[in-house]
Amino acid sequence: DIVMTQAPLSVSVTPGESASISCRSSKSLLHSNGITYVYWYLQKPGKSPQLLIYRMSNLASGVPDRFSGSGSETDFTLKISRVEAEDVGIYYCGQLLENPFTFGSGTKLEIK
Amino acid sequence: EVQLVESGGGLVQPGRSLKLSCLASGFTFSNYGMNWIRQAPGKGLEWVASISSSSSYIYYADTVKGRFTISRDNAKNTLYLQMTSLRSEDTALYYCARLFMDAWGQGASVTVSS
Repeated sequence: DIVMTQAPLSVSVTPGESASISCRSSKSLLHSNGITYVYWYLQKPGKSPQLLIYRMSNLASGVPDRFSGSGSETDFTLKISRVEAEDVGIYYCGQLLENPFTFGSGTKLEIK
Repeated sequence: EVQLVESGGGLVQPGRSLKLSCLASGFTFSNYGMNWIRQAPGKGLEWVASISSSSSYIYYADTVKGRFTISRDNAKNTLYLQMTSLRSEDTALYYCARLFMDAWGQGASVTVSS
């Protein structure tokens, strides 16, 4: 199984500042079709997860452009610019390259 | 608007069975693969099972293989998860989601306890 390792476990950010979350996969997530199958999700308190970034760097519909994704074949970063209070929650990376689909353990973002 | 609505959760004794349903609307259900994903209390996300649009391909997590069955009825726009031989460690909120997890339901709570 592909292991997804996230860091840090939690991050506390001042509104208006930036935050970065890292995710590393135990295997390349680059498919032969050129697509990197890493996804980022945010689970706000008491809510279902929502898709933020798909295929490493594509912004999901309705997601503010303060969010961006980047990376290589095994190392990925979610960056949140100009953090707002509504960004609090737990961020998960996930790989959808192959079954079993797997997720990182999550990064909790709090506001200072 | 894409909507996924789970139902069928509840309290069940260890060893018993339960069947979850997920009613889809707002998109052409028969064109999409689907997943079940669960979240134990205070824990992270765990993928449970996937099914392709025509049910040709089905995959399970090792933790549920042989006990859970994913299925779908495209005529009814409904996804199912039949759970048997339930264990305490199956206690979780069960979400249905589209294949690439761009849409999620609100979750169905399953508690396995005597």
